Amino acid sequence: AQKITQTQPGMFVQEKEAVTLDCTYDTSDQSYGLFWYKQPSSGEMIFLIYQGSYDEQNATEGRYSLNFQKARKSANLVISASQLGDSAMYFCAMREGNFNKFYFGSGTKLNVKP
Amino acid sequence: NAGVTQTPKFRILKIGQSMTLQCTQDMNHNYMYWYRQDPGMGLKLIYYSVGAGITDKGEVPNGYNVSRSTTEDFPLRLELAAPSQTSVYFCASSYLLSRDRGINEQYFGPGTRLTVT
Repeated sequence: AQKITQTQPGMFVQEKEAVTLDCTYDTSDQSYGLFWYKQPSSGEMIFLIYQGSYDEQNATEGRYSLNFQKARKSANLVISASQLGDSAMYFCAMREGNFNKFYFGSGTKLNVKP
Repeated sequence: NAGVTQTPKFRILKIGQSMTLQCTQDMNHNYMYWYRQDPGMGLKLIYYSVGAGITDKGEVPNGYNVSRSTTEDFPLRLELAAPSQTSVYFCASSYLLSRDRGINEQYFGPGTRLTVT
């Protein structure tokens, strides 16, 4: 079974609008972490936001927020007020347990239209 | 701080050749990782290390070897390169926030683009 599933290979959003990128995960661990990374066309991996499994509030970092629904095992990324520079691949990732392994989804390519 | 550095940036190998991808971090992180990213795909974990002298396999370890003799360095060795190893390789490092909160986000190097022909 896939550990991380991103069902949207590509998405379009109008500049200044909000967009939600979907992510579901699969783990039987009680303690885990969820991450979102941005990969622009230049190829580097940029950390955006983190949510711990025991965190009761949804994480927010500037225009990024993580909609964490533990019972549904989903960790969707919400980008508010999209900008042209947000056009990139976005990867959801999970750290299973506290220490060891990270799993990445297949990514969502976001295109922001002017 | 330079963060995580990787060399080389690009490399072309012939089938059957061997090479070592270098990775160094200057943040004193205990945890280090090697990933490969095939075109249009996410990252797959090859090997990871939780400290000097300790390494373990990830999802796709076949055809690779690692060592971790120091905190800073985590080289990845490819023996007998095959076309299936054509990929972009990322090294990453991380640290432990606390035993309750686990590992923080990973800091990635710029990647090495490897082509095996």
